Amino acid sequence: EIVMTQSPATLSVSPGERATLSCRASQSVSSNLAWYQQKPGQAPRLLIYGASTRATGIPARFSGSGSGTEFTLTISSLQSEDFAVYYCQQYNNWPLAFGQGTKVEIK
Amino acid sequence: EVQLVESGGGLVQPGRSLRLSCTASGFTFGDYAMSWVRQAPGKGLEWVGFIRSKAYGGTTEYAASVKGRFTISRDDSKSIAYLQMNSLKTEDTAVYYCTKHSGYGYYYMDVWGKGTTVTVSS
Repeated sequence: EIVMTQSPATLSVSPGERATLSCRASQSVSSNLAWYQQKPGQAPRLLIYGASTRATGIPARFSGSGSGTEFTLTISSLQSEDFAVYYCQQYNNWPLAFGQGTKVEIK
Repeated sequence: EVQLVESGGGLVQPGRSLRLSCTASGFTFGDYAMSWVRQAPGKGLEWVGFIRSKAYGGTTEYAASVKGRFTISRDDSKSIAYLQMNSLKTEDTAVYYCTKHSGYGYYYMDVWGKGTTVTVSS
């Protein structure tokens, strides 16, 4: 089974700054990688699929990159509503698998 | 509006069973694969299981942690997906989310329900 590892566990960022989140797969998942955002008390929301395609309605400040085993989610200029937990998920192989999450907090 | 609404959660004793339902609206339910994802208190997301659309056999996949205890099914005539949970353990305590997949082979989750809480405790 593929293990997804996210880093860092917590990222402290000031509003307006750039945030860079990493996700590593234990074996290649091609570009079959999605990113989700979860705010407290809410269900997760799809941000990115296919490693780099923004989902409907997702602002352009969110971008994804990578393929194979190394992936990055970048938030170009953090807004107050972006402070949340972010998860990556691979859908290249069974079982589907999530990373453990990165919490983006206000610095 | 595309929507998923989970129901059936509650407090249940270890070893007992519970069935969750996911009622879909706003899309042609029978055309899409569905998954259940859970989140234990204060923890991350864990994929639980998956069911293909009938066009692709309606077959299922499960996480190792629930295989043999949990069963996913679907009733396309009612636009409902089910998660039958048997032999429940305290570690099954979580919020259970119903999710919709985008399309065949593209198994990211583009729609999520709000979740239903399952507490397994004596």
